[in-house]
Amino acid sequence: KNQVEQSPQSLIILEGKNCTLQCNYTVSPFSNLRWYKQDTGRGPVSLTIMTFSENTKSNGRYTATLDADTKQSSLHITASQLSDSASYICVVSSGSSSNTGKLIFGQGTTLQVKP
Amino acid sequence: GAVVSQHPSRVICKSGTSVKIECRSLDFQATTMFWYRQFPKKSLMLMATSNEGSKATYEQGVEKDKFLINHASLTLSTLTVTSAHPEDSSFYICSARDLAGSYNEQFFGPGTRLTVL
Repeated sequence: KNQVEQSPQSLIILEGKNCTLQCNYTVSPFSNLRWYKQDTGRGPVSLTIMTFSENTKSNGRYTATLDADTKQSSLHITASQLSDSASYICVVSSGSSSNTGKLIFGQGTTLQVKP
Repeated sequence: GAVVSQHPSRVICKSGTSVKIECRSLDFQATTMFWYRQFPKKSLMLMATSNEGSKATYEQGVEKDKFLINHASLTLSTLTVTSAHPEDSSFYICSARDLAGSYNEQFFGPGTRLTVL
């Protein structure tokens, strides 16, 4: 069964600190892995997308890693800001011809950055 | 670029009425759009895949007569919640797939909050 699991479920950090969110997946065939940021009451916004051949990708203070062998990904946030408070969702796109374009969503990690 | 809009952003209606939600890709053509539903503190749940010029494909358990989808052009898909009831209250999000992009990326709209009284 295709699944995406994220940890931790929620996280509270102080402003300025770094944090790392984890994502494990069992999706086959694998096409790409995406990290989204979703503010409360808004739609998800893409942070990074990686294929199996890419093992790291950065977008400003966000750096995502991908280990296709262990089927793990992480999202590292450096120098956190209050505006980073949001839900971070790991999403895997399956390369199956019968599921083209369908995304498998993790449950998300809720990050709260406190001053 | 790659902006997806939704209208309305928020709607409150009485039980038994129908509500139409529009999803537009503003700067790219989308042959495929997706409709999701999200409950509080839960992840997005795919409801249906909307294909331009053809019938939508519904996920298991989603009533197609309840949630009518029309994808009449390459930039517009609509979701109509018919005879809405309080249990239909939810956050509805659409996404549009940009085939011209390198990852067939889906871009999400800002969502529509539906409250049925």
